[in-house]
Amino acid sequence: DIQMTQSPSSLSASVGDRVTIACRASQSISSYLNWYQQKPGKAPKLLIYAASSLQSGVPSRFSGSGFGTSFTLTVSGLQPEDFATYYCQQSYSTLYSFGQGTKLEIK
Amino acid sequence: EVQLVESGGGLIQPGGSLRLSCAASGFTVSSNYMSWVRQAPGKGLEWVSVIYSGGNTYYADSVKGRFTISRDNSKNTLYLQMNSLRAEDTAVYYCARDRYSGIPYFDYWGQGTLVTVSS
Repeated sequence: DIQMTQSPSSLSASVGDRVTIACRASQSISSYLNWYQQKPGKAPKLLIYAASSLQSGVPSRFSGSGFGTSFTLTVSGLQPEDFATYYCQQSYSTLYSFGQGTKLEIK
Repeated sequence: EVQLVESGGGLIQPGGSLRLSCAASGFTVSSNYMSWVRQAPGKGLEWVSVIYSGGNTYYADSVKGRFTISRDNSKNTLYLQMNSLRAEDTAVYYCARDRYSGIPYFDYWGQGTLVTVSS
């Protein structure tokens, strides 16, 4: 099974900051990497698919990069509505898996 | 408009069975990959199972042999039959459309249904 590891597990930042969340796969997954945002009591929301493709309707301040085993999600110019938990997910294997999540909190 | 509505959750004793439903609208379930994802209270997301448009099914090791994913094309509905339930199966269960355009990703999610396994 492919293990996904995110870092950091939590992050404090201020409105307007640029933040980066890392996600590492236990083996190469090419570009089969997606990012989701989840707010308390809500279903996850797709932000980025295929490592770097922005989902329709998602603000351009969100961006993704990476290939193989190392990936990043960057939010440039944090807005109040961006404080949430973020998950990476691999779809390379028939057995999908998520990272443990990164909670982004207001400083 | 694409919508996914889960139902069937509730309180069940350990060892019991439950069937979750996910009614879809705005697209055809049988033409898409569909997945179940769960989230234990205060924990992260855990992928549970997928059914491909061709009918192949796959399961997380934690539920293999106990859970069965299926669909009813006439009702455009996805199901998750859960047997031999354990306390660690307690979670909110989400269904998600697993859009496949070369690389699969979950583009639509339901609101979730809570399953509580407790005596």
